[in-house]
Amino acid sequence: DARVTQTPRDKVTEMGQEVTMRCQPILGHNTVFWYRQTMMQGLELLAYFRNRAPLDDSGMPKDRFSAEMPDATLATLKIQPSEPRDSAVYFCASGLGGDSNQPQHFGDGTRLSIL
Amino acid sequence: AQSVTQLGSHVSVSEGALVLLRCNYSSSVPPYLFWYVQYPNQGLQLLLKYTSAATLVKGINGFEAEFKKSETSFHLTKPSAHMSDAAEYFCAVSDRSNTGKLIFGQGTTLQVKP
Repeated sequence: DARVTQTPRDKVTEMGQEVTMRCQPILGHNTVFWYRQTMMQGLELLAYFRNRAPLDDSGMPKDRFSAEMPDATLATLKIQPSEPRDSAVYFCASGLGGDSNQPQHFGDGTRLSIL
Repeated sequence: AQSVTQLGSHVSVSEGALVLLRCNYSSSVPPYLFWYVQYPNQGLQLLLKYTSAATLVKGINGFEAEFKKSETSFHLTKPSAHMSDAAEYFCAVSDRSNTGKLIFGQGTTLQVKP
């Protein structure tokens, strides 16, 4: 089965460091979503892309977070500088956007710990 | 605007007992509805989806859900719980804006006792 691949699976770093998370969407999917999951807030949508163009990043703290799709096989989420409150699991999902009865397919996430 | 409410953040059942996880939605248009399951240290996995065909939808692992328009509900059921069903379950509704965006509920953690 095709899968969404996220790297790294785990990341521990110190406050102030840059963090880059990567996502390889399922081949042929044209929509990519970034989510953050915490115990307190649950699942939050940070940003999403259609055909590599950002559609909405209103869920993302703009001063430190940035999301890009350099090409159709790679999406990145960067945090610079990182803070302890950014500790969470970050998920990428891909789908066939434009047809809203299609499900999203999730990766296994990046578990981020900022010390 | 679309929204989803999952009633009960934690549900505990005995192995072999009926599983019932509740989901109510709010939508100004006919909804597309989804149930996802999340096992520990994994991403969300699609269990089943409703897209206006049959109101009773069968999914993986013996789960099914019934769409009831009059009750604006899409509850998830399984006749007999297994220990392996212990996980977090999310109900979601499509925002129908053609973006593929989903609105998720807060999740329900299912505990299965031996």
